[in-house]
Amino acid sequence: ETGVTQSPTHLIKTRGQQVTLRCSSQSGHNTVSWYQQALGQGPQFIFQYYREEENGRGNFPPRFSGLQFPNYSSELNVNALELDDSALYLCASSSSAGGAWGELFFGEGSRLTVL
Amino acid sequence: DAKTTQPTSMDCAEGRAANLPCNHSTISGNEYVYWYRQIHSQGPQYIIHGLKNNETNEMASLIITEDRKSSTLILPHATLRDTAVYYCIVRVATAAGNKLTFGGGTRVLVKP
Repeated sequence: ETGVTQSPTHLIKTRGQQVTLRCSSQSGHNTVSWYQQALGQGPQFIFQYYREEENGRGNFPPRFSGLQFPNYSSELNVNALELDDSALYLCASSSSAGGAWGELFFGEGSRLTVL
Repeated sequence: DAKTTQPTSMDCAEGRAANLPCNHSTISGNEYVYWYRQIHSQGPQYIIHGLKNNETNEMASLIITEDRKSSTLILPHATLRDTAVYYCIVRVATAAGNKLTFGGGTRVLVKP
């Protein structure tokens, strides 16, 4: 276990709806990043939050947005869901101690199905 | 981040060493080599990382060639629980983000 928890573990939405996924980072970690993993593929970087601000983004449209809270937990929001958004969404936490970025610790993921 | 090339799949006998190759011929001087694995239906798990020197921890050993264009992850005594997809990643951590660029990985099947 990594200490990174995600909720919900599974959910089903319909096209056009909005979804919010949640992540609690490992104790002592101040950075959270989100990844999307389609079936049979490797995870793809969505964005990262450090000190409550986005400080890195992958090739995802603006309808993918996020938040980081003072306790370093995070949310991923996806608006106007499309069928291709069906995937496993992974949250990872890390620490930027001394300006160096540590390894990422992943949660078990939230599996989103869009019908 | 530099791209990596890994075999799509490989089998390994339980109790034997598993050697997983990775090519990263375009790696830059400040890029590290990281290995993660993902067991079915779980999040990726950190295994090991290195820059130039060979590294060893309780899970595995990482051998990096002198020119740093390739590396090998060694699982010294593979068990059935080591069946997973193994990802070789090269990256530099910048202020713009601590992202990992995953490729397709190597699907390792450990057989009894």
